[in-house]
Amino acid sequence: NAGVTQTPKFRILKIGQSMTLQCTQDMNHNYMYWYRQDPGMGLKLIYYSVGAGITDKGEVPNGYNVSRSTTEDFPLRLELAAPSQTSVYFCASRTVMNTEAFFGQGTRLTVV
Amino acid sequence: GENVEQHPSTLSVQEGDSAVIKCTYSDSASNYFPWYKQELGKRPQLIIDIRSNVGEKKDQRIAVTLNKTAKHFSLHITETQPEDSAVYFCAASTPSGAGGTSYGKLTFGQGTILTVHP
Repeated sequence: NAGVTQTPKFRILKIGQSMTLQCTQDMNHNYMYWYRQDPGMGLKLIYYSVGAGITDKGEVPNGYNVSRSTTEDFPLRLELAAPSQTSVYFCASRTVMNTEAFFGQGTRLTVV
Repeated sequence: GENVEQHPSTLSVQEGDSAVIKCTYSDSASNYFPWYKQELGKRPQLIIDIRSNVGEKKDQRIAVTLNKTAKHFSLHITETQPEDSAVYFCAASTPSGAGGTSYGKLTFGQGTILTVHP
């Protein structure tokens, strides 16, 4: 029972590079979320999706893109990485609105 | 959109004391309010949640209260233990916002660092 799986766990990017953070869940959850957590700070919503083919912006979407072509996968794309994107990124999913959200183990990204 | 404010940002208590963390939300349409605990270097995990049709919920040493009129909810931890030391987050789930936006959004507060001293 894998739950929510994020890859990679750690990554160092150079300024201007691009990368995709992968998130997959095996619980057939409709709702998926991407958050970033800066050191000592809270969870800020980047993008979310309420089902395959549907995505919407959260509080801090600039510099990121997402897609949701399947129920299982919700990749987060960083274009032209900047030092301000250094953070821990968490993916989460839940089955319907008023239920527990399950988090992946996080991806620690450093942009230098 | 929804805005969740959480206080205090840090809380230090002695073992055995009670701890209270408070959150306010802005969108009256929000109807689900979970609390998550995050230990150092780990992912957030749900500890308790409450739905808008309930005023209070308790699970052993943890309780949550909700005041829909005032748009605030609180986490109460009694008989605190050192292993309760962690960061605690409140959140609000929005079924729909003004103009039909924010559907399905889950918004978190800024977090409270709880330290329980032995």
